[in-house]
Amino acid sequence: EAGVAQSPRYKIIEKRQSVAFWCNPISGHATLYWYQQILGQGPKLLIQFQNNGVVDDSQLPKDRFSAERLKGVDSTLKIQPAKLEDSAVYLCASSAGLAPNTQYFGPGTRLTVL
Amino acid sequence: DQQVKQNSPSLSVQEGRISILNCDYTNSMFDYFLWYKKYPAEGPTFLISISSIKDKNEDGRFTVFLNKSAKHLSLHIVPSQPGDSAVYFCAASAGGTYKYIFGTGTRLKVLA
Repeated sequence: EAGVAQSPRYKIIEKRQSVAFWCNPISGHATLYWYQQILGQGPKLLIQFQNNGVVDDSQLPKDRFSAERLKGVDSTLKIQPAKLEDSAVYLCASSAGLAPNTQYFGPGTRLTVL
Repeated sequence: DQQVKQNSPSLSVQEGRISILNCDYTNSMFDYFLWYKKYPAEGPTFLISISSIKDKNEDGRFTVFLNKSAKHLSLHIVPSQPGDSAVYFCAASAGGTYKYIFGTGTRLKVLA
């Protein structure tokens, strides 16, 4: 079974630029999550999708972050414009249901904002 | 406000000995707890979980203990192996929300 795919793996941009991350979940997984992990901290949930609907985006900074999951499969997370404090690893995870032990993480995208 | 705390950023243990990783939480509404393991350049992988109705859950070499009165949980790895060297995160959720609050992680190094 193929795992959660993310691209790019690394991205370096300057502040005020825009960036987008892509996630392809495990086939058949209805639930998709985006997390932000700042160095030295644990992952923080940004947004959760159930199919193509948003379940929770309470911690997504909506003035600069946006996410979509068209057709309930792939998802993109965008930052526009980026700030220095957005430097982090962005993790995508998917699960077949809502049970916690079925959540599989991708390798993440490491973003550096200069 | 850090609701889930892992106060030891790192831990070194000899191969074959017990590793004990600790986690404290402040929110009494948390009722489900998980441990994840993370290798460099990979995403976290689920290790073991425990519900608040239990005080112990065991899976092979891994055991999680929950002390609700102390708001404390611990992960025991016995015996520790070099392949266990990784960063371990504890996470907690409340009321079946499946919204997990993660701790800051503990880097475990098992010495051969």
